[in-house]
Amino acid sequence: KNQVEQSPQSLIILEGKNCTLQCNYTVSPFSNLRWYKQDTGRGPVSLTIMTFSENTKSNGRYTATLDADTKQSSLHITASQLSDSASYICVVSPMGDGNKLVFGAGTILRVKS
Amino acid sequence: DAGITQSPRHKVTETGTPVTLRCHQTENHRYMYWYRQDPGHGLRLIHYSYGVKDTDKGEVSDGYSVSRSKTEDFLLTLESATSSQTSVYFCAISATQGAYNEQFFGPGTRLTVL
Repeated sequence: KNQVEQSPQSLIILEGKNCTLQCNYTVSPFSNLRWYKQDTGRGPVSLTIMTFSENTKSNGRYTATLDADTKQSSLHITASQLSDSASYICVVSPMGDGNKLVFGAGTILRVKS
Repeated sequence: DAGITQSPRHKVTETGTPVTLRCHQTENHRYMYWYRQDPGHGLRLIHYSYGVKDTDKGEVSDGYSVSRSKTEDFLLTLESATSSQTSVYFCAISATQGAYNEQFFGPGTRLTVL
């Protein structure tokens, strides 16, 4: 069964610090991997999207990496801000069935001052 | 929110009653989706539509039906609501962004079935 697992489930860091969120997936073959940010009470918003042939993609202070051989991705947040407090969701799109995305349960990040 | 609205935003209903949630988009996108989000689970696809009157089932379609009579509206109906359908429901559209088909989500509807 296609699965996406994220770790840790939750994380608390101090403002200004860096952090890395992990994503392991079993979806194979896949066409792309996405990271979304979901603020409390709102819908997810896309941060990055990478095809299976890409290794890294940045969006401001957010950098996603992808290792298709080990089926792992990470999202690195640099110089965290209070506004980074949110749930971060890893999503994999199966090859040939892009309407049926596979979502991870998310990592809840809290940034403290 | 890519021109996506959902209504109602909150609803409390009783077991056994019918419930219809509405998703409205203003940008003429062909693909629309309904998801549910529950604690400890990723978003799960209920149904999706690839055009007017064209729909297909997702992972968790049992107990749900959908209709799309106009491009801009995608309705999700719970024929007889159960407590297990208490959830937050998100609508999404798919739009081309550069080389990718990106999904954009609405603000969500929080449904409580008592």
